[in-house]
Amino acid sequence: QEQLVQSGAEVKKPGASVKVSCKGSGYPFNSHDINWVRQAPGQGLEWLGWINPISGNTGHAQKLRGRVTLTRDTSMTTAYMELSRLRFDDTAVYYCVRESHWLDYWYFDLWGRGTLVTVSS
Amino acid sequence: DIQMTQSPSSLSASLGDSVTITCRTSQTISTYLNWYQQKPGEAPKLLIYATSSLQSGVPSRFRGSGSGTEFVLTISSLHPEDFATYYCQQSSTIPRSFGQGTMLDIK
Repeated sequence: QEQLVQSGAEVKKPGASVKVSCKGSGYPFNSHDINWVRQAPGQGLEWLGWINPISGNTGHAQKLRGRVTLTRDTSMTTAYMELSRLRFDDTAVYYCVRESHWLDYWYFDLWGRGTLVTVSS
Repeated sequence: DIQMTQSPSSLSASLGDSVTITCRTSQTISTYLNWYQQKPGEAPKLLIYATSSLQSGVPSRFRGSGSGTEFVLTISSLHPEDFATYYCQQSSTIPRSFGQGTMLDIK
C-alpha cells in the first residue's frame, strides 16, 4: 500500500527550528518528487517547496527562502523539511505530498497525514 | 507567480443538487489545473487532474472543464460525502499555487 508517513506533532518556541520527516513506502521512492504544503489553522493550502529524490535538487516558495531546507535520505526513502527561525505564523499542519505525472501534467496524488507544528512561547 | 482565485468562497446546497465552483488564474495555464477535496481533519485528496481527468476511484458525478485562465468543477447530484472544501491548484509553473478554497456545506 502506497503511503507517506510523517513524524509526530511538534511544539517549538519562536526562533527555534523544526525538522519534519516523511517516509515513503509501497512505491519507488526515487521516481517521484516530494513536495511540502502547509495549512495554517482554518486557512487554505500553501505550497512550500519540492525535492527530487534522485538529484536532491530543490525549489522553494520565495517567502520562505533562507528559512526552509529540504533534504532526503534515499536509503531510508525519507524526505525532510526543516524550518528555521520559527515565527508564530508558522503554526500549521505541514503535509508532504508525492507529485506524479501523466504526460506532462503534474498533480499531487499521495498525501501524508500531516504534522502539526505549533509555535508558542 | 500565478495567482488563483476561486469563487464562491462558500456555498450551501442540498442533497441531490448540482453545484459549480470556478477557478480563475492570473496567467494562462493551458489545462494544467487540478482539483482537490478536503474534509475536516483530513489531508486533501486528488479528485481531478489535467483539468478534466478523473482520479481513480473518484465518482463520475465530479466533472472538470476549462482552459486558459478559467476552470470549473461541477458536482452533480450531491451525496452526503461531497460536503467538504474544494481547492484548485495549478501545475503549469513552479511555484505551485492553490486557490483559497470553496467550502461546500449542507443547506
